[in-house]
Amino acid sequence: EAGVAQSPRYKIIEKRQSVAFWCNPISGHATLYWYQQILGQGPKLLIQFQNNGVVDDSQLPKDRFSAERLKGVDSTLKIQPAKLEDSAVYLCASSFGLAGEPFYEQYFGPGTRLTVT
Amino acid sequence: KQEVTQIPAALSVPEGENLVLNCSFTDSAIYNLQWFRQDPGKGLTSLLLIQSSQREQTSGRLNASLDKSSGRSTLYIAASQPGDSATYLCARMDSSYKLIFGSGTRLLVRP
Repeated sequence: EAGVAQSPRYKIIEKRQSVAFWCNPISGHATLYWYQQILGQGPKLLIQFQNNGVVDDSQLPKDRFSAERLKGVDSTLKIQPAKLEDSAVYLCASSFGLAGEPFYEQYFGPGTRLTVT
Repeated sequence: KQEVTQIPAALSVPEGENLVLNCSFTDSAIYNLQWFRQDPGKGLTSLLLIQSSQREQTSGRLNASLDKSSGRSTLYIAASQPGDSATYLCARMDSSYKLIFGSGTRLLVRP
C-alpha cells in the first residue's frame, strides 16, 4: 500500500515570497490533516479536511495560510507571504476514519522542510 | 489549556537495556492516545494506539499503557537496539478529535 506522498521535500524561500506544498493521501482515506512542526516541538494541527470539506481550521493563520482539498483527494497548502517564523516541517497525514471515529490511526507523509530566509 | 508533556527530553542508553518513556497530559477526557516514532528527516510512524477504553497495547518489543485517572501513558521498550534510536512522540486525541502532541523524547541506543 502506497503511503502519504508530499512534495517538494525541501524548499528555501525569502521572506515575503509565496510557497505551496502538495499532499496525496492514502487511497480511500476520507480525512486529511496538515501539521506544522517547528524544530524541537511536536506537530501542531493547522487544518483538517473530511472529504473536501474543512472540519477544523482554528489554528490556521488565515491571513497568510490557505489550504484546499479538491475532489476530496489531493490537497495543497499555501503560504503568502512567508515570514521567518514559518520555517518548519509541514506534515500531511491521512486517516481512513471520519472525524468522530478516533480509533483509526493517522498515517503521516515524509514532510516538507521549509526554510524562510 | 490542553498540554502533553514528555519526560525525559533526551535519553541515552546502552544496547540491550529495557527503558520507559513517559507521557503526561492535563485533560483526562481523551479519546485515544498514540505513540509515534520520528526518524531524522522523516515523517511520523505510528507505533501503538490505545483507545480510551483500553489500558495497554503491545507490539513486539513495545508496550504502551494508559492511565486516564492519573493522566499518564508510558512506552516500554524491551531489549533496546541501536535501530530504536529516534524521537518518540506521544499524542492524545481530544474531544474535538484533534491530536495534541508532546515535544518528544530523543532516544539514543549506544552499541
